[in-house]
Amino acid sequence: DADVTQTPRNRITKTGKRIMLECSQTKGHDRMYWYRQDPGLGLRLIYYSFDVKDINKGEISDGYSVSRQAQAKFSLSLESAIPNQTALYFCATSDPTGNGHEQYFGPGTRLTVT
Amino acid sequence: GQNIDQPTEMTATEGAIVQINCTYQTSGFNGLFWYQQHAGEAPTFLSYNVLDGLEEKGRFSSFLSRSKGYSYLLLKELQMKDSASYLCAVRGGGGSYIPTFGRGTSLIVHP
Repeated sequence: DADVTQTPRNRITKTGKRIMLECSQTKGHDRMYWYRQDPGLGLRLIYYSFDVKDINKGEISDGYSVSRQAQAKFSLSLESAIPNQTALYFCATSDPTGNGHEQYFGPGTRLTVT
Repeated sequence: GQNIDQPTEMTATEGAIVQINCTYQTSGFNGLFWYQQHAGEAPTFLSYNVLDGLEEKGRFSSFLSRSKGYSYLLLKELQMKDSASYLCAVRGGGGSYIPTFGRGTSLIVHP
C-alpha cells in the first residue's frame, strides 16, 4: 500500500466552486506539505505543517487554506476556485530524523478549473 | 530569498553518461537534494549532499561545492527509463528545513 495517498486523483471543477484535496499518510511523520506544480515552474510550496497545531504559509498561499485534522491527515482547500489554480498538486511528508529530511510525495491530484 | 538554476532540457544516448548541473544562491545552506520525477508521477528522492564532495549511489552520483554554490547529478550507463525530470532542491538557513525547488531538468534518453 502507498505510504502517502491523495484523493481525488483527478478533478474538474468550475470557477467559484469550493474544493478540498485530501492527503493521508501511514509513515508516522509529523511534517506535511502541500505543493503545486505548473509546467516550467517547478514545485512551489503552498502550506506546511510541522505538527497538528502548527500550520505555516508557503510562498503561494493566497487563495488556499489548509486543515491538519490529525497527524496522518492534511487537507488543502480552494475556497473559490479560479482557472489559474489549474495545476498538479502534491502532498508530501518528511521525517526530521531521516536522511536530511528527505520528502516523500503522494501520487498527485490533477486539478482543472474551467 | 533563494535562486536555483538548472538547464531546462537535456538529451543523451542510451549507455552514455550525462551530467545535470545546478547552481544556487541562498541565504545560508543546510543541504541539497536531487529528486527524479517521471511524467505525471510523484518526485522520488535520489540523493542528499550537505558536505562538499561526491556521493555515489549505484549508477547515480551527486557532487556538491558549497563555496561555488554548485552541484551536479551524474548518471552513468543511461537507460531509457532514466528519461524523466530531475529536480534540484536547496535547503537554506533559518532552521525550518524547508527546501526550495528548482524548475527541473527534463532529460530525454534516446536509443
